[in-house]
Amino acid sequence: DADVTQTPRNRITKTGKRIMLECSQTKGHDRMYWYRQDPGLGLRLIYYSFDVKDINKGEISDGYSVSRQAQAKFSLSLESAIPNQTALYFCATRPQGGGETQYFGPGTRLLVL
Amino acid sequence: KQEVTQIPAALSVPEGENLVLNCSFTDSAIYNLQWFRQDPGKGLTSLLLIQSSQREQTSGRLNASLDKSSGRSTLYIAASQPGDSATYLCAVRSGGYNKLIFGAGTRLAVHP
Repeated sequence: DADVTQTPRNRITKTGKRIMLECSQTKGHDRMYWYRQDPGLGLRLIYYSFDVKDINKGEISDGYSVSRQAQAKFSLSLESAIPNQTALYFCATRPQGGGETQYFGPGTRLLVL
Repeated sequence: KQEVTQIPAALSVPEGENLVLNCSFTDSAIYNLQWFRQDPGKGLTSLLLIQSSQREQTSGRLNASLDKSSGRSTLYIAASQPGDSATYLCAVRSGGYNKLIFGAGTRLAVHP
């Protein structure tokens, strides 16, 4: 079984709808991240969390919100989806300590019509 | 503001060639640099991580070098194979909250 899972894997929605993307991990890591990837651009950080009570904005948080329901679960919500939020969304985890890499989920492909 | 650039954006080569992928970054104050591989539908996989105090890392046919002072890293792939076809992303860890700054990637196609 995958260590970092994302649901749904693909989603089509309409402008103005509220949607939630979910991320779960079995790695026991404290730190979790949400990124988006657009064609021709690198991954950009939306939100990150160092533990259940610690939520922080990344560089492109406008239009998004998150919830860290438990150490293993980190959800990303689009309150009112718009077409320029069409992108590939990745969740990642990392253990405490600066030397370790991040572990990525398989991604959620979102299309906002 | 840290910016990461990868050249070339795309590369198509015949099997067996040795390849060099380039990554440059604007701020030399980094904690480490990583190379990731991205396959469609499978997310990102870390290939090599080079700490700021290191000059290179090797794993199998892959070798990554880091020249922090000039803001450059290269990923060398020896004897390329069709299975190496993927997008390769470079990312640096910098900033007060240890975030990763990614380049846009190099899309590699190795044909038989």
